Parts: sequence; structure tokens; C-alpha cells
Amino acid sequence: DGGITQSPKYLFRKEGQNVTLSCEQNLNHDAMYWYRQDPGQGLRLIYYSQIVNDFQKGDIAEGYSVSREKKESFPLTVTSAQKNPTAFYLCASKIQGTTNEKLFFGSGTQLSVL
Amino acid sequence: AQSVTQPDIHITVSEGASLELRCNYSYGATPYLFWYVQSPGQGLQLLLKYFSGDTLVQGIKGFEAEFKRSQSSFNLRKPSVHWSDAAEYFCAVGVTGTASKLTFGTGTRLQVTL
Repeated sequence: DGGITQSPKYLFRKEGQNVTLSCEQNLNHDAMYWYRQDPGQGLRLIYYSQIVNDFQKGDIAEGYSVSREKKESFPLTVTSAQKNPTAFYLCASKIQGTTNEKLFFGSGTQLSVL
Repeated sequence: AQSVTQPDIHITVSEGASLELRCNYSYGATPYLFWYVQSPGQGLQLLLKYFSGDTLVQGIKGFEAEFKRSQSSFNLRKPSVHWSDAAEYFCAVGVTGTASKLTFGTGTRLQVTL
């Protein structure tokens, strides 16, 4: 079945540590997105990529980094510079240029600080 | 810049009762509006969208929403709520139907009592 897979489902970070969240899709989608979700704050865009080897900052990119070396993969690294990383992280994808009703979401990764 | 307000953080309704979740947006032109639903620990699923045309739109799971330009609103309704509708609901706005960035509201958590 086609879809978006986020792993791990739960992740713990120690102080000063970088951690990487995985997002893989087999939908042949061009565009991929990372959102951060905090209770009572809705979803905020971290980074997005419309094509392989290219990505843009969203509204809250500080303390995060991404890469897009393959069409199907868009990993997010939460660096030690992100002082408040505890949140639920959602990856999404769609065919570039299509309407957002065709935006598919993964099931998320909960990141917590030890 | 566009914005979305969901004034109700938490709503409780009895099973079988009607439901209305409020969403107000701020945007100078015609917005592209979406409602998503999220079950705990899961990604988002699109319920319905409004791009243009008929201001009353039908979605999945028996939901509907009405776009009212004069009130800058896009409220979600359901005539009879089922216990399985308990979830968090997000309203979102895009500047175009294909926009890379969606602006989400803060969400409304729906609790259904039996």
C-alpha cells in the first residue's frame, strides 16, 4: 500500500544531542513537508521541499535541518540549537502543483527531551 | 499574511446531538479553506475543502461546512454526532489551492459523551 511512513513513533533526546526523524513516502510525490505540532498551537511549517536537492525554510526553521537527496525521503534533524524540541512532528507530501486536498500526512513522531 | 482562529479549544456534545465547530479566517482575497481531523497520535485526514462556487460544501463522514465571506467564517457542522467523531479538528487556509504553505488554526478538541 502507498503511504507515508514516519519513524520512530516515539523518540527521546538528551541535552546537546542531535536527533533525526525519518519520513519516507512511496507515493511518488514531489513535494514534502515537515510540521511541528504543539498542544494549543496547531501546526507550524518547519521546512518544505518541492523537488529533490532543494528545500525552503518554513515559519520555524531555526534549530532544524533537512536534506532531500532522494525523492522518497525527507529526513528532519533536530539539532542541539533547538532549545524546546518536545513536540509532535508530522511529515506530509503531495504531487507538486496539485491542490492541497491531495496532501497526505504521516502518523507522526513524538519527540521528548530526557 | 493569512491567519485562522478557532475560538473553541474544547467542545463536548452528546452522541446524536448536532455539532458546529467555528473557524474564522483573515485574508484579503478569496481564501482556500480546509478542515482536517486528527485522531490521537495520528496524522491529519482531510474532511472537506472550499475553493470556489457553492458556499456549502460536503465532506466525508457526514460533515459539511459553510463559507460566509461577510463573516470571514468557515464553520464545520454535523447534524448527528457519533462517538467515533471524538478527535481534534483543524481549520486551515491557503492563499491558493496549491499553496505550499497552509496556515492552521489551533484546533478544537471534540469530546462525545454517550
